[in-house]
Order: sequence, then C-alpha cells, then structure tokens
Amino acid sequence: DQQVKQNSPSLSVQEGRISILNCDYTNSMFDYFLWYKKYPAEGPTFLISISSIKDKNEDGRFTVFLNKSAKHLSLHIVPSQPGDSAVYFCAASIQGAQKLVFGQGTRLTINP
Amino acid sequence: DGGITQSPKYLFRKEGQNVTLSCEQNLNHDAMYWYRQDPGQGLRLIYYSQIVNDFQKGDIAEGYSVSREKKESFPLTVTSAQKNPTAFYLCASSNLGLFNEKLFFGSGTQLSVL
Repeated sequence: DQQVKQNSPSLSVQEGRISILNCDYTNSMFDYFLWYKKYPAEGPTFLISISSIKDKNEDGRFTVFLNKSAKHLSLHIVPSQPGDSAVYFCAASIQGAQKLVFGQGTRLTINP
Repeated sequence: DGGITQSPKYLFRKEGQNVTLSCEQNLNHDAMYWYRQDPGQGLRLIYYSQIVNDFQKGDIAEGYSVSREKKESFPLTVTSAQKNPTAFYLCASSNLGLFNEKLFFGSGTQLSVL
C-alpha cells in the first residue's frame, strides 16, 4: 500500500520556467511533509518542509504548497535552473508515531 | 567537514554470503537509519537507532541485522536470509530521532548479487 505517491516518474522543463512536482498521500494522520533532492550516486539532501498547520512554505526559489482536503502537496521551483536537474522525493511523517514514508521520486530535467 | 560516510560504494554478494555495509557519522547525531531504494520505489526503512545500544525494526527488517555499539557507527549486515538483496542502500542520521526531522544521508552503497 503506497501511502505517498508521486505519479509522475519524470518531468522535463525549460530553463527559466516554473517546475511543479506533485505528491499525493492517503493517510490523513500525516502532519509533516518534506522534500528531498537527489543527484546520481549521491544521497538525498533536504530541500524544504511544511507542517500541516500551514498551507504554504517558501524558501528562495522553492515553495511547497499543502492542500489537506485534497491530500496533495506540490513543490514549485521558480525559475528553474540546470542545477535543479535531479530526482525529487516527497516524504510524509506522523509525529509521535515514529513513521516517515517516502514517495517513489520524480526525475526532473531542466533543458537549456 | 561533518557528514556521513558509507563504504564501500559498490559491493557484490555471493549466494549464501553475509555482507556488512559500513556507516559512520561525525555530526554528533543521536539517531541513525538504514533505508533501501529499489528502482521506481520510494526509500523504505530497514532499521533505525535513536540511542547507542538500542535499535528498532523498520518496515522491511527481515534478512537484515544491525548494531549500534558507538554513537558514530551503525553497520548493516545483509544476511543470506535476505533473498532479494540487490538494491541501493542509504544510511542517514538526524539530531534527535524525531521522524519529522530532516535527515542527513550518506552517498549510498550499491549491493549486487553475483
């Protein structure tokens, strides 16, 4: 049972445009969400997070939006740069339940 | 330069053999984790440890064992009981062991079966 789903295995965006990566979850108990970025042959690195008490969190070019009623979150990257080409994982946690679940990842390619 | 070091980068296992993956961190983090990544799947938790000499099973612990004798080290042994060991293994650490903390990952070990 995949509780966190990233339905797009890959996404291709032109440099300078907006990249939107999507993530859906099924467990309404999730109360904290994180995005990680992974380059080939490296471990994932933390990018941005959001608590369920918020609907938006912004950090520079990266913004995460949370729609609790739809059980959906998205990561916006504006403007997209070649260095953003990587695999992006969303993850959801239940504080106190010691549970963290990762999505399958979306490979983002930024084209010049 | 603080971080997590995993070794080796590539590892090959023969049938019936146990192999051990190394993970060392110098971030002074209390918690350490082992994840497995298969193609097209998310990271799945194998084992985690929130304190020295204590560890807990994750979602897919069968066929694996760990130890946590030192704060800095959390080796993972893939035993012969793990029938499908080919995967990319990631070690991570976090400050307090809270599951909504950000994790710091190593570069991973690719394990393949000969």
